[in-house]
Amino acid sequence: GQQVMQIPQYQHVQEGEDFTTYCNSSTTLSNIQWYKQRPGGHPVFLIQLVKSGEVKKQKRLTFQFGEAKKNSSLHITATQTTDVGTYFCAGPFHRYNFNKFYFGSGTKLNVKP
Amino acid sequence: NAGVTQTPKFRILKIGQSMTLQCTQDMNHNYMYWYRQDPGMGLKLIYYSVGAGITDKGEVPNGYNVSRSTTEDFPLRLELAAPSQTSVYFCASSYALGDNTGELFFGEGSRLTVL
Repeated sequence: GQQVMQIPQYQHVQEGEDFTTYCNSSTTLSNIQWYKQRPGGHPVFLIQLVKSGEVKKQKRLTFQFGEAKKNSSLHITATQTTDVGTYFCAGPFHRYNFNKFYFGSGTKLNVKP
Repeated sequence: NAGVTQTPKFRILKIGQSMTLQCTQDMNHNYMYWYRQDPGMGLKLIYYSVGAGITDKGEVPNGYNVSRSTTEDFPLRLELAAPSQTSVYFCASSYALGDNTGELFFGEGSRLTVL
């Protein structure tokens, strides 16, 4: 079954501070995706990582895929109140079935102005 | 394009009642998914489909059934509703080839309460 851990569960930061969430899988992944869910909303796609060691940037957001393709991270530089929400990693974490698309437990980010 | 459309947005059921959550997408995506999200929690995969006529169980399929008779529609059936099925249900779709799943597009969710 699903064997993915996402940490931390919650993070409270002051506006302007940095934020990082980590996603760890027990199986090697073909790809990993990141989503953001605003309070009361639905998950919205941020990015997909496919290659070992891949690093992608979107303005203040930096995404990394581990060399072994078993872990990933999302780093936000100088958080803003618009970054508030829950960040999920997602992917085909099932060891034998790449069609099963699971989500991590999420990291809820709160930013104090 | 409307994207992924879910109905109803809200529903209250009594224990033992049955209902169907509707989901339709107009993007010609081959993959469709149903997830449930309990308050303050992550998304759990209920069922998914890789194309018309093909469905498979996810992490938490008990108490639910699905069908995929067309590419566009992927209804989720709840039989004999129980309080444990109180949750927000999200339908999603994507286009994917091989092992690399495409971006998931989500509907706005259906909030179900079972009393």
